[in-house]
Amino acid sequence: EDQVTQSPEALRLQEGESSSLNCSYTVSGLRGLFWYRQDPGKGPEFLFTLYSAGEEKEKERLKATLTKKESFLHITAPKPEDSATYLCAIQGGSEKLVFGKGTKLTVNP
Amino acid sequence: GAGVSQSPRYKVAKRGQDVALRCDPISGHVSLFWYQQALGQGPEFLTYFQNEAQLDKSGLPSDRFFAERPEGSVSTLKIQRTQQEDSAVYLCASSFVGETEAFFGQGTRLTVV
Repeated sequence: EDQVTQSPEALRLQEGESSSLNCSYTVSGLRGLFWYRQDPGKGPEFLFTLYSAGEEKEKERLKATLTKKESFLHITAPKPEDSATYLCAIQGGSEKLVFGKGTKLTVNP
Repeated sequence: GAGVSQSPRYKVAKRGQDVALRCDPISGHVSLFWYQQALGQGPEFLTYFQNEAQLDKSGLPSDRFFAERPEGSVSTLKIQRTQQEDSAVYLCASSFVGETEAFFGQGTRLTVV
């Protein structure tokens, strides 16, 4: 069964304090690993898709990396507006996405 | 429209009542998904359509849940005889076939009292 585990569940950072969020997964035949951002009361907002081990993608202060067992979302010099829940999801043998529970990030000014 | 539109945004139902949730996908998107998100959890897959064909309904939790997309565009998720455990946010997402980037709507928050 495809599974996604995200850690930590919650993370508090000071503005400018860089850190990483972890997403470990088990899947038979990874077609893609996804990172989404979700603000309270809103739907998930797409950030990145990674397809193979060693791949990296960047967007502003965010950088996503992928290995055969896990993915990291690195946040460099975060700002308060980066506060949100970050969701990781995998796509295996079917079209559906399997999500983790998310990491709730709070960046204090 | 510019994005996936869901209505209503909020729905309060009495236990035992039937509800219908609507999703307007992005124009031209062939694939449409429904997910259920409980408080503090990640979204969980319910069902998937490609055009009007429902290709995967393995995530529907019971036969009280029914989804349709008769003309391959707008979709409706219907829940019959609602129960308290049905309280959740119901998310709709759409994408082009073969593209892995799915766009989500704002969701419908269903509260069963």
